Amino acid sequence: EAQVTQNPRYLITVTGKKLTVTCSQNMNHEYMSWYRQDPGLGLRQIYYSMNVEVTDKGDVPEGYKVSRKEKRNFPLILESPSPNQTSLYFCASSLLAGEQNEQFFGPGTRLTVL
Amino acid sequence: KNQVEQSPQSLIILEGKNCTLQCNYTVSPFSNLRWYKQDTGRGPVSLTIMTFSENTKSNGRYTATLDADTKQSSLHITASQLSDSASYICVVSARDSGNTGKLIFGQGTTLQVKP
Repeated sequence: EAQVTQNPRYLITVTGKKLTVTCSQNMNHEYMSWYRQDPGLGLRQIYYSMNVEVTDKGDVPEGYKVSRKEKRNFPLILESPSPNQTSLYFCASSLLAGEQNEQFFGPGTRLTVL
Repeated sequence: KNQVEQSPQSLIILEGKNCTLQCNYTVSPFSNLRWYKQDTGRGPVSLTIMTFSENTKSNGRYTATLDADTKQSSLHITASQLSDSASYICVVSARDSGNTGKLIFGQGTTLQVKP
Protein backbone atom coordinates (compact mmCIF):
# COMPACT_ATOMS: atom_id res chain seq x y z
CA GLU A 1 0.00 0.00 0.00
CA ALA A 2 1.31 3.42 -1.01
CA GLN A 3 1.74 5.46 2.13
CA VAL A 4 3.68 7.88 4.28
CA THR A 5 4.52 6.53 7.72
CA GLN A 6 5.66 8.38 10.80
CA ASN A 7 7.07 7.17 14.09
CA PRO A 8 6.34 7.55 16.84
CA ARG A 9 2.68 8.53 16.65
CA TYR A 10 2.69 9.92 20.18
CA LEU A 11 5.60 11.19 22.23
CA ILE A 12 5.90 12.90 25.59
CA THR A 13 9.34 14.21 26.45
CA VAL A 14 11.07 16.79 28.61
CA THR A 15 12.76 20.04 27.71
CA GLY A 16 16.23 19.61 26.25
CA LYS A 17 16.11 15.88 25.52
CA LYS A 18 17.02 15.32 21.88
CA LEU A 19 14.49 13.44 19.81
CA THR A 20 13.94 12.29 16.24
CA VAL A 21 10.64 11.74 14.46
CA THR A 22 11.02 9.45 11.49
CA CYS A 23 9.17 9.75 8.18
CA SER A 24 9.24 7.23 5.38
CA GLN A 25 7.41 6.96 2.06
CA ASN A 26 7.22 4.00 -0.30
CA MET A 27 6.10 5.87 -3.44
CA ASN A 28 9.53 6.87 -4.76
CA HIS A 29 8.61 10.51 -4.26
CA GLU A 30 11.26 13.15 -4.73
CA TYR A 31 9.66 15.89 -2.63
CA MET A 32 9.15 15.60 1.13
CA SER A 33 8.10 18.13 3.71
CA TRP A 34 7.45 18.57 7.43
CA TYR A 35 4.58 20.62 8.85
CA ARG A 36 3.32 21.45 12.29
CA GLN A 37 -0.34 22.01 13.11
CA ASP A 38 -1.43 24.11 16.09
CA PRO A 39 -4.96 25.03 17.23
CA GLY A 40 -6.36 28.02 15.38
CA LEU A 41 -3.50 28.03 12.90
CA GLY A 42 -3.19 26.35 9.55
CA LEU A 43 -0.44 23.87 8.87
CA ARG A 44 2.91 25.58 8.73
CA GLN A 45 5.89 24.26 6.86
CA ILE A 46 9.04 23.55 8.87
CA TYR A 47 11.47 22.15 6.29
CA TYR A 48 11.24 20.59 2.89
CA SER A 49 13.43 18.52 0.61
CA MET A 50 13.31 18.51 -3.17
CA ASN A 51 15.53 15.45 -3.47
CA VAL A 52 18.28 13.49 -1.76
CA GLU A 53 20.76 15.78 0.00
CA VAL A 54 18.67 18.84 -0.94
CA THR A 55 16.84 20.47 1.99
CA ASP A 56 15.61 23.97 2.70
CA LYS A 57 13.84 25.96 5.38
CA GLY A 58 10.12 26.48 5.40
CA ASP A 59 8.23 29.11 7.35
CA VAL A 60 9.03 27.97 10.91
CA PRO A 61 12.42 26.17 10.89
CA GLU A 62 13.81 27.44 14.22
CA GLY A 63 14.63 24.64 16.63
CA TYR A 64 14.44 21.88 14.00
CA LYS A 65 16.86 20.01 11.79
CA VAL A 66 16.29 17.56 8.96
CA SER A 67 18.32 15.28 6.75
CA ARG A 68 17.66 13.50 3.46
CA LYS A 69 20.28 10.82 2.99
CA GLU A 70 17.93 8.42 1.24
CA LYS A 71 15.00 9.15 -1.03
CA ARG A 72 12.44 7.37 1.12
CA ASN A 73 13.36 8.83 4.54
CA PHE A 74 13.13 12.36 5.90
CA PRO A 75 13.64 12.48 9.68
CA LEU A 76 12.83 15.54 11.77
CA ILE A 77 15.30 16.23 14.57
CA LEU A 78 14.71 18.37 17.64
CA GLU A 79 18.14 18.87 19.21
CA SER A 80 16.85 20.59 22.35
CA PRO A 81 13.05 20.51 22.46
CA SER A 82 11.17 23.27 24.24
CA PRO A 83 7.51 23.48 25.35
CA ASN A 84 6.64 25.75 22.40
CA GLN A 85 7.39 22.81 20.12
CA THR A 86 4.45 20.92 21.58
CA SER A 87 2.38 20.35 18.46
CA LEU A 88 0.97 17.89 15.94
CA TYR A 89 3.53 17.14 13.24
CA PHE A 90 2.85 15.90 9.73
CA CYS A 91 5.23 14.59 7.12
CA ALA A 92 4.14 14.80 3.49
CA SER A 93 5.52 13.73 0.14
CA SER A 94 4.80 14.28 -3.54
CA LEU A 95 6.15 12.78 -6.73
CA LEU A 96 7.90 15.99 -7.69
CA ALA A 97 8.28 19.46 -6.27
CA GLY A 98 6.00 22.14 -7.64
CA GLU A 99 2.52 23.36 -6.87
CA GLN A 100 0.84 21.01 -9.37
CA ASN A 101 1.84 17.90 -7.45
CA GLU A 102 -0.48 16.60 -4.77
CA GLN A 103 1.13 16.11 -1.39
CA PHE A 104 0.28 12.93 0.52
CA PHE A 105 0.31 13.25 4.28
CA GLY A 106 1.37 10.86 6.99
CA PRO A 107 -0.85 10.07 10.00
CA GLY A 108 0.79 12.65 12.26
CA THR A 109 2.93 12.63 15.39
CA ARG A 110 1.58 14.27 18.51
CA LEU A 111 4.49 15.66 20.51
CA THR A 112 4.29 17.04 24.04
CA VAL A 113 7.34 18.74 25.55
CA LEU A 114 7.12 19.24 29.31
CA LYS B 1 0.80 38.64 2.30
CA ASN B 2 -0.52 35.28 1.10
CA GLN B 3 -3.42 34.21 3.28
CA VAL B 4 -6.30 31.74 3.29
CA GLU B 5 -9.33 32.37 5.50
CA GLN B 6 -12.06 29.83 6.11
CA SER B 7 -15.54 30.15 7.55
CA PRO B 8 -17.25 29.10 9.63
CA GLN B 9 -14.69 27.91 12.14
CA SER B 10 -17.03 25.11 13.18
CA LEU B 11 -20.39 23.76 12.11
CA ILE B 12 -22.89 21.26 13.45
CA ILE B 13 -25.53 19.77 11.16
CA LEU B 14 -27.97 16.88 11.24
CA GLU B 15 -27.33 13.76 9.22
CA GLY B 16 -28.84 14.03 5.75
CA LYS B 17 -28.64 17.80 5.58
CA ASN B 18 -26.50 19.79 3.14
CA CYS B 19 -23.86 22.34 4.10
CA THR B 20 -21.46 24.77 2.48
CA LEU B 21 -18.01 25.74 3.70
CA GLN B 22 -16.30 28.93 2.56
CA CYS B 23 -12.73 29.83 1.69
CA ASN B 24 -11.35 33.27 0.80
CA TYR B 25 -7.78 33.70 -0.29
CA THR B 26 -5.28 36.41 -1.10
CA VAL B 27 -2.61 34.33 -2.81
CA SER B 28 -0.76 35.64 -5.80
CA PRO B 29 0.13 34.46 -8.31
CA PHE B 30 -2.53 31.78 -7.96
CA SER B 31 -1.84 28.27 -9.18
CA ASN B 32 -4.48 25.94 -7.77
CA LEU B 33 -6.81 25.36 -4.84
CA ARG B 34 -7.39 22.09 -3.03
CA TRP B 35 -9.85 21.02 -0.41
CA TYR B 36 -8.55 18.47 2.07
CA LYS B 37 -10.50 16.36 4.58
CA GLN B 38 -8.77 15.63 7.87
CA ASP B 39 -10.33 12.99 10.09
CA THR B 40 -9.49 13.19 13.78
CA GLY B 41 -6.09 11.65 14.43
CA ARG B 42 -5.20 11.35 10.76
CA GLY B 43 -3.38 13.32 8.10
CA PRO B 44 -5.23 15.45 5.52
CA VAL B 45 -6.50 13.71 2.39
CA SER B 46 -7.17 15.59 -0.85
CA LEU B 47 -10.81 15.83 -1.98
CA THR B 48 -10.62 18.13 -5.01
CA ILE B 49 -8.20 20.31 -6.91
CA MET B 50 -9.09 23.25 -9.13
CA THR B 51 -6.93 25.40 -11.33
CA PHE B 52 -7.60 28.96 -12.46
CA SER B 53 -9.74 27.90 -15.41
CA GLU B 54 -11.99 25.51 -13.49
CA ASN B 55 -14.98 26.79 -11.55
CA THR B 56 -16.48 23.55 -10.28
CA LYS B 57 -15.25 20.07 -9.41
CA SER B 58 -17.15 17.18 -7.86
CA ASN B 59 -16.04 14.14 -5.91
CA GLY B 60 -19.09 12.10 -4.96
CA ARG B 61 -21.18 14.12 -2.53
CA TYR B 62 -18.52 16.84 -2.37
CA THR B 63 -18.68 19.73 -4.85
CA ALA B 64 -16.12 22.51 -4.85
CA THR B 65 -16.53 25.81 -6.64
CA LEU B 66 -13.95 28.45 -7.45
CA ASP B 67 -14.42 32.10 -8.37
CA ALA B 68 -10.95 33.30 -9.34
CA ASP B 69 -12.17 36.87 -9.83
CA THR B 70 -13.40 37.26 -6.25
CA LYS B 71 -10.82 34.79 -4.90
CA GLN B 72 -13.42 32.67 -3.21
CA SER B 73 -14.07 28.96 -3.06
CA SER B 74 -16.75 26.86 -1.45
CA LEU B 75 -17.14 23.20 -0.60
CA HIS B 76 -20.71 21.91 -0.69
CA ILE B 77 -21.52 18.62 1.01
CA THR B 78 -24.76 16.97 -0.07
CA ALA B 79 -26.81 14.58 2.06
CA SER B 80 -24.30 14.55 4.89
CA GLN B 81 -23.29 11.34 6.63
CA LEU B 82 -21.81 10.71 10.07
CA SER B 83 -18.51 9.89 8.37
CA ASP B 84 -18.34 13.45 7.03
CA SER B 85 -17.49 14.62 10.55
CA ALA B 86 -13.97 15.99 10.13
CA SER B 87 -11.97 19.14 9.56
CA TYR B 88 -12.00 20.54 6.03
CA ILE B 89 -8.96 22.49 4.99
CA CYS B 90 -8.68 24.87 2.05
CA VAL B 91 -5.16 24.91 0.60
CA VAL B 92 -3.97 27.34 -2.05
CA SER B 93 -0.80 26.95 -4.08
CA ALA B 94 1.14 29.93 -5.33
CA ARG B 95 2.77 29.77 -8.72
CA ASP B 96 6.37 29.43 -7.69
CA SER B 97 9.31 30.11 -9.98
CA GLY B 98 11.52 28.20 -7.58
CA ASN B 99 9.27 25.14 -7.91
CA THR B 100 9.29 24.59 -4.17
CA GLY B 101 5.69 23.34 -3.89
CA LYS B 102 4.64 26.12 -1.53
CA LEU B 103 1.20 25.62 0.00
CA ILE B 104 -0.81 28.15 2.01
CA PHE B 105 -3.21 26.46 4.43
CA GLY B 106 -6.44 27.77 5.88
CA GLN B 107 -7.20 27.12 9.55
CA GLY B 108 -9.89 24.63 8.65
CA THR B 109 -13.61 24.24 9.35
CA THR B 110 -14.59 21.56 11.85
CA LEU B 111 -17.78 19.83 10.78
CA GLN B 112 -19.79 17.66 13.14
CA VAL B 113 -22.65 15.61 11.70
CA LYS B 114 -25.15 14.46 14.31
CA PRO B 115 -27.66 11.61 13.93
